Amino acid sequence: TQLLEQSPQFLSIQEGENLTVYCNSSSVFSSLQWYRQEPGEGPVLLVTVVTGGEVKKLKRLTFQFGDARKDSSLHITAAQPGDTGLYLCAGAGGSYIPTFGRGTSLIVHP
Amino acid sequence: DTAVSQTPKYLVTQMGNDKSIKCEQNLGHDTMYWYKQDSKKFLKIMFSYNNKELIINETVPNRFSPKSPDKAHLNLHINSLELGDSAVYFCASTTNGGGQGFDEQFFGPGTRLTVL
Repeated sequence: TQLLEQSPQFLSIQEGENLTVYCNSSSVFSSLQWYRQEPGEGPVLLVTVVTGGEVKKLKRLTFQFGDARKDSSLHITAAQPGDTGLYLCAGAGGSYIPTFGRGTSLIVHP
Repeated sequence: DTAVSQTPKYLVTQMGNDKSIKCEQNLGHDTMYWYKQDSKKFLKIMFSYNNKELIINETVPNRFSPKSPDKAHLNLHINSLELGDSAVYFCASTTNGGGQGFDEQFFGPGTRLTVL
């Protein structure tokens, strides 16, 4: 089983602050995805990164895939209360069995 | 239009009972999954079906039996429920995994199962 370690597990910040969430593994992944889950709902895809070293931007969110395709990061600039939620990274190796990290619970206070 | 729907949303039952959760997707996807999310929010895959065929079974107790009557439906039946089965169960669907890893998974709203 390929494991994905996410850090930090919890983040509580003020509106306007920046933050970075990390997703690390000792295994190589063919691609990594980031999902956001709000209370009482299922996860919703934010982005998929496929190429080592790839950087993708989604408004105030910046996603990076490590050169070796073993890690990824999510950076949020000027966080807003609407960014509150559980952020999950997910990967699939050669077997295409989806593996999720344990998630980062983010709370942004107004 | 709901893409992936699950019923029921909440399920409260006694230990030892048998219960089912239903899932339907109207996205025309070939692959469907069942996940279990525990109290610490860890999302773990249980099963995957592709065109009604079981392709992933991640060491789930055989009290759990998925059934796919057609590729738009994947139901989960649980026999002899135990306290440890309490969790939120998510159904998801995706197009058939392409050459660049796996495609976007569309999740249902979840079913919160509480075993007393």
